Amino acid sequence: DADVTQTPRNRITKTGKRIMLECSQTKGHDRMYWYRQDPGLGLRLIYYSFDVKDINKGEISDGYSVSRQAQAKFSLSLESAIPNQTALYFCATSDWGGLVSDEQFFGPGTRLTVL
Amino acid sequence: SQQGEEDPQALSIQEGENATMNCSYKTSINNLQWYRQNSGRGLVHLILIRSNEREKHSGRLRVTLDTSKKSSSLLITASRAADTASYFCATGPMDNYGQNFVFGPGTRLSVLP
Repeated sequence: DADVTQTPRNRITKTGKRIMLECSQTKGHDRMYWYRQDPGLGLRLIYYSFDVKDINKGEISDGYSVSRQAQAKFSLSLESAIPNQTALYFCATSDWGGLVSDEQFFGPGTRLTVL
Repeated sequence: SQQGEEDPQALSIQEGENATMNCSYKTSINNLQWYRQNSGRGLVHLILIRSNEREKHSGRLRVTLDTSKKSSSLLITASRAADTASYFCATGPMDNYGQNFVFGPGTRLSVLP
């Protein structure tokens, strides 16, 4: 079984709809992240969480919210989806390597299309 | 602009040749990582090099880090068609508590059979 899973894998929705993307991990990591990927732009950080009680905004948090329901679960919500939120969304986890995070483990991604 | 930027944006080589990709960054880092992404899939960690290291090897991969030039290179030797993917560098800032890695836009590598 995959260590980091994302649901759904694909989603098509309409402008204005509320969408939730879910991420679960079995790696036992405290740190979890949500990224979006657009062609030619690499990955951009939306939100991150260093533990259940710690939620932080990333580079592009506007229009998004998150919930860390448990150590293993981190959900991303689009409150009112708009077409420019069409992208590939990745969840990732990492361990705490002292002063800095170690390697990140990525889920398979969710392809979201907002019409 | 991005902290880490890969160069070139795209690279096409023949199977068996070596592929070299470069990453430049702007601020001091604690470590630098390279990831691979097959089309439309999640990123897979390849190798991590810390700021006090100059070179690291893993199988056919060789990574160098030059902190004075704020640059890193990833060399894939004896490339295979299966190496076709996008490659990203990610930098972990020096003052990292509470901060995270910044990914570059990636290099698209095509290895032709």
